[in-house]
Amino acid sequence: EIVLTQSPGTLSLSPGERATLSCRASQSVSSNYLAWYQQKPGQAPRLLISGTSFRATGIPDRFSGSGSGTDFTLTISRLEPEDFAVYYCQQYGKSPLTFGGGTKVEIK
Amino acid sequence: EVQLLESGGGMVQPGGSLRLSCAASGFTFNIYAMGWVRQAPGKGLEWVSGLSGGGASTDYADSVKGRFTISRDNSKNTLYLQMNSLRVEETAVYYCAKFKVGTCYSAFDFWGPGTLVTVSS
Repeated sequence: EIVLTQSPGTLSLSPGERATLSCRASQSVSSNYLAWYQQKPGQAPRLLISGTSFRATGIPDRFSGSGSGTDFTLTISRLEPEDFAVYYCQQYGKSPLTFGGGTKVEIK
Repeated sequence: EVQLLESGGGMVQPGGSLRLSCAASGFTFNIYAMGWVRQAPGKGLEWVSGLSGGGASTDYADSVKGRFTISRDNSKNTLYLQMNSLRVEETAVYYCAKFKVGTCYSAFDFWGPGTLVTVSS
């Protein structure tokens, strides 16, 4: 099983600041099949990025994904008030599909 | 507009059974793989099971293999999850989710609002 470790656990930032979230895999993720989701309290997750760097429909371009192999990054260039949430990475290159433990982006 | 709506959640005793349903609309259901993901209270996301668009290929997390069965009725645009021998630690919100493609190896591009399953005596 591919274990995904997200860091930091919590990121305290102000609106307008840049957020950098990390996702590290215990082994190489096939074909860079890595996705990022955003989840707000009481809501279902929402797909932000798939295939490491491809934004889902309707996702603003302040969200970007990068990385390869075992190290992946989600960057939010300038935080908007609605971006404060929990973010999960997920690999789908190998069964079982696995999620990281999440990074909470909170208002400083 | 893609819509997924889960039903069938509720309270069940340890060792009991429950069947979840997910009604889908707004897309050609039989083309896309579908899956279930759960989230225990205050915890992260855990993939449970997936099923290909045509229904020929299934996959399960080791923790549920042999106890849970995923199925679909493409004539009714509905996904199911039969859960047997439920355990207390399986108390969670269960989400139905649509894969981006017809196989279970892609991201989930749409999610339902979830249904709460509580396993307690």
